[in-house]
Amino acid sequence: KAGVTQTPRYLIKTRGQQVTLSCSPISGHRSVSWYQQTPGQGLQFLFEYFSETQRNKGNFPGRFSGRQFSNSRSEMNVSTLELGDSALYLCASAGGGPNSPLHFGNGTRLTVT
Amino acid sequence: DQQVKQNSPSLSVQEGRISILNCDYTNSMFDYFLWYKKYPAEGPTFLISISSIKDKNEDGRFTVFLNKSAKHLSLHIVPSQPGDSAVYFCAASGSGGSYIPTFGRGTSLIVHP
Repeated sequence: KAGVTQTPRYLIKTRGQQVTLSCSPISGHRSVSWYQQTPGQGLQFLFEYFSETQRNKGNFPGRFSGRQFSNSRSEMNVSTLELGDSALYLCASAGGGPNSPLHFGNGTRLTVT
Repeated sequence: DQQVKQNSPSLSVQEGRISILNCDYTNSMFDYFLWYKKYPAEGPTFLISISSIKDKNEDGRFTVFLNKSAKHLSLHIVPSQPGDSAVYFCAASGSGGSYIPTFGRGTSLIVHP
């Protein structure tokens, strides 16, 4: 089975711009979550989508949004980028029961200048 | 407020010895705990988990211990190998019925040959 695929791997943007990140989950997985990782902050939960609906949301401002398509692929959008948005953005998919482990992609490294 | 804490940012161990990574949590509603391992430039991968109804779970060289009264869990790696050098994240879920895991900030393990 192919793993979780995230594109692009690296991205450099300027303050004020917007960015869209993409994630293809493992085939058959309907849950897709997004996390932000910054140095020393661990993994901060952004949101989770299941069957095209946002099911859970973390404590991030409205500039961070996402969506999921009928094929379970997901996109994450960040508008009006700030320097503090520079981070590794990780997508994870899950199948099975509520405590099924997350399967992470290799992430998109976003740098905002 | 951090609900899952990994108080040691780093740990250095000699090959063949035991590595013990610690994790504390504050939310007594957590009932499922997981450990993930992350290599540079890769996403985290699931390592081992434990339910709150158990106090120990073992998988090969990896054993997780849970002390509910102390709200503490630990990951033991025996014997440690240089390939175990990675960042280890502790995660907990179950608070408020949510299975979205809350992650700690990670502990960087270095195993010296």
